[in-house]
Amino acid sequence: DARVTQTPRDKVTEMGQEVTMRCQPILGHNTVFWYRQTMMQGLELLAYFRNRAPLDDSGMPKDRFSAEMPDATLATLKIQPSEPRDSAVYFCASGQQGWTEAFFGQGTRLTVV
Amino acid sequence: SQQGEEDPQALSIQEGENATMNCSYKTSINNLQWYRQNSGRGLVHLILIRSNEREKHSGRLRVTLDTSKKSSSLLITASRAADTASYFCAPRMDSSYKLIFGSGTRLLVRP
Repeated sequence: DARVTQTPRDKVTEMGQEVTMRCQPILGHNTVFWYRQTMMQGLELLAYFRNRAPLDDSGMPKDRFSAEMPDATLATLKIQPSEPRDSAVYFCASGQQGWTEAFFGQGTRLTVV
Repeated sequence: SQQGEEDPQALSIQEGENATMNCSYKTSINNLQWYRQNSGRGLVHLILIRSNEREKHSGRLRVTLDTSKKSSSLLITASRAADTASYFCAPRMDSSYKLIFGSGTRLLVRP
């Protein structure tokens, strides 16, 4: 059963610490999206990749956030240093090239205290 | 803006009733997709309708698309308590891989 896998599922960290979230897209999917969801802002697109190359990361705070795809089976989202306002659920999704649907992971719930 | 706007923001109905949600968008599209999100979970794709289609069915779901009005609707027939979730539309543009979402419609189906 193909699925997008995100780790960790939950993360509690202190302000100022580095946080790394990982995503394993579905095998064969070449498009990866990162989203952040909060009650106030809803579901925000942070960045997306095609064939491991970043196409758009304009939704991401550049000073502290970075997104990469070291290889086709791993996407990472890093926050350094983390702040309480980064507390949210972060979702990764993957899809095949073109206009077809995206498949979402279960999310990483980040709490920065 | 590329995202769709769902209406209403919230909808409460009795089990067995039909639920209708609407989506409006601003630019030309290749297709439009509907997703469901149960509380605390990732979004799940429900149905995709292409720009040359006017209506599509999947089980208890019926989606319509009116490209002249730049709008779509999602109808859930004979609703169940398990349909309680947030529903999002996602217009897909002609030349972009972006997939962005509006605020969604929060549907509550009362038993």
